[in-house]
Amino acid sequence: NAGVTQTPKFRVLKTGQSMTLLCAQDMNHEYMYWYRQDPGMGLRLIHYSVGEGTTAKGEVPDGYNVSRLKKQNFLLGLESAAPSQTSVYFCASSLVAGATEAFFGQGTRLTVV
Amino acid sequence: GQQVMQIPQYQHVQEGEDFTTYCNSSTTLSNIQWYKQRPGGHPVFLIQLVKSGEVKKQKRLTFQFGEAKKNSSLHITATQTTDVGTYFCAGRGSGAGSYQLTFGKGTKLSVIP
Repeated sequence: NAGVTQTPKFRVLKTGQSMTLLCAQDMNHEYMYWYRQDPGMGLRLIHYSVGEGTTAKGEVPDGYNVSRLKKQNFLLGLESAAPSQTSVYFCASSLVAGATEAFFGQGTRLTVV
Repeated sequence: GQQVMQIPQYQHVQEGEDFTTYCNSSTTLSNIQWYKQRPGGHPVFLIQLVKSGEVKKQKRLTFQFGEAKKNSSLHITATQTTDVGTYFCAGRGSGAGSYQLTFGKGTKLSVIP
């Protein structure tokens, strides 16, 4: 019973490099979300998806792209990493958008140097 | 856009003392959720409140939703060291097509043994 799994857990990137964060859920949830967490800033929504093949922008989408080719997976991409993207990234999924429990992954700690 | 304010940002209490965190939204909410994040961990769902004036209890935790559905509180009676962590509220707007939870910045609770 894995729930929401994120890979990788840690990563160090150089400025300008690209990477993809993978989120996988095994609960057959329609809704998936990517958040970033910075000290004192709480959780800020980057992008979200209301179903397979759909994506939408959240509060802080600039510098990120996402894809939801399969219902169980939600990918977050950084095309050209910047130090301002140093953060902890959390993926979450829920059965009903905002109205049922959101299940979070373990997080990815990303450092851009 | 919708904003959710949470106070205080930090709270240090002696073990056995009570603790309260408050959440205020700039707009009327459809529902509000509370999450707890242990140090180094990921947010974990605690409870959801939906009805105006609703009060729910979980052992030493009491959750309230305001009559106007714009504010909420979490009260912990007789804190224990296991209560240490950051508590977040998250509200969903009441407008059509509200797919997002807006998180407060959290209240970090420290418990002094």
